[in-house]
Amino acid sequence: DVQMTQSPSTLSASVGDRVTITCRASQSVNNWVAWYQQKPGKVPKLLIYETSTLQSGVPSRFSGSGSGTEFTLTISSLQPDDFATYFCQQYNVYSPTFGPGTKVEIK
Amino acid sequence: EVQLVESGGGLVQPGGSLRLSCSVSRSIFNNYALHWLRQAPGKGLEYVSAISSNGGSRHYAASVKGRFTISRDNSKNEVSLQMTSLRVEDTAVYYCAKYLGGNSLDAFDVWGQGTMVTVSS
Repeated sequence: DVQMTQSPSTLSASVGDRVTITCRASQSVNNWVAWYQQKPGKVPKLLIYETSTLQSGVPSRFSGSGSGTEFTLTISSLQPDDFATYFCQQYNVYSPTFGPGTKVEIK
Repeated sequence: EVQLVESGGGLVQPGGSLRLSCSVSRSIFNNYALHWLRQAPGKGLEYVSAISSNGGSRHYAASVKGRFTISRDNSKNEVSLQMTSLRVEDTAVYYCAKYLGGNSLDAFDVWGQGTMVTVSS
């Protein structure tokens, strides 16, 4: 399986901050990376797919970039609703695999 | 409205069996591969199993292969996960989900609310 790692594991930030989360794959996954947001007790929500395509209804402050083995999720101006855990996922090869998550906390 | 609704979770002893079901809205059942994923308490997401839209192709994670069986019932618009020889490490919330696209590898855009499986003596 392709291993996905994320950094940092926890991030403390304030409303209005620009936030960047990094995801690395153990081998090239081309552009087949998605990002999810999950709040406690809730279902994961798809934010971005194919590295940089915003899912319908997701605010434009979220963006994704990268290629090959390194990818980033950026929140341009952190909002109160954005405090959550974020997971990356590769879907280049079976089985789809997820990163361990990055928890974005209030500073 | 696209909906996935899981049921069947509960408490089971190690070595026991449990059957999870996912009721799928008619609009997607015939056109999408359907999947099971799980999330252990406080942990990340793990892919478990998949079945193609026509039921002809099935996939299992190495951690469950030989113990879990995925199936779909076209008469009920339902996908099931039969779990046997359960282990403590199978304890998790189990989610049913669909791909953004059809049957090819993709992101997961619709998830059920999840059903909790606890394996404990």
